[in-house]
Amino acid sequence: GENVEQHPSTLSVQEGDSAVIKCTYSDSASNYFPWYKQELGKRPQLIIDIRSNVGEKKDQRIAVTLNKTAKHFSLHITETQPEDSAVYFCAASTIYNQGGKLIFGQGTELSVKP
Amino acid sequence: EAQVTQNPRYLITVTGKKLTVTCSQNMNHEYMSWYRQDPGLGLRQIYYSMNVEVTDKGDVPEGYKVSRKEKRNFPLILESPSPNQTSLYFCASSLGNRGNTEAFFGQGTRLTVV
Repeated sequence: GENVEQHPSTLSVQEGDSAVIKCTYSDSASNYFPWYKQELGKRPQLIIDIRSNVGEKKDQRIAVTLNKTAKHFSLHITETQPEDSAVYFCAASTIYNQGGKLIFGQGTELSVKP
Repeated sequence: EAQVTQNPRYLITVTGKKLTVTCSQNMNHEYMSWYRQDPGLGLRQIYYSMNVEVTDKGDVPEGYKVSRKEKRNFPLILESPSPNQTSLYFCASSLGNRGNTEAFFGQGTRLTVV
């Protein structure tokens, strides 16, 4: 079946450094790639998303890049802060039966040390 | 306030005792889905619904049922819970009917089956 692989599973950085999380997907028809942040004990919340007609998108310290040919996309966080510590999930949309769904990666636990 | 509401937040039950987790959204969203979150496995879709009376299986539907009689509600039913269904469950809704727009998650339900 369709799947999304996410790496690394854990990432520890010093405050102010950059963090990069990478995902690969298998369905070449996927056209929507969101990233969710889940703080401890809370629900996942969208932080940024990108569609397949765009190669890069930025929002302040967060950016996402998409390489459709290689079927991978990445989240870049610059100037990390302790409040960036959380679990991050990537996802890719896929057509499924008569509808569609999001396939999530396994998650990356980011720890930003002061 | 736009939101997805799940109940209960925490539930401990015994093997075989039927239970229902409710989910309600007030955003008039077409698409609703249920996920379970387990360590190292990310978010896996259980069932989804594209609209009223339209539901379909996700990746891990065994042991679960759903219904969509009204647009705002999407309950998850465990007819005969087993210990391997111990997990953190999230309901989510999104505007588009293909699951390829922002998903808004409920607060989560932590279920323990003993």
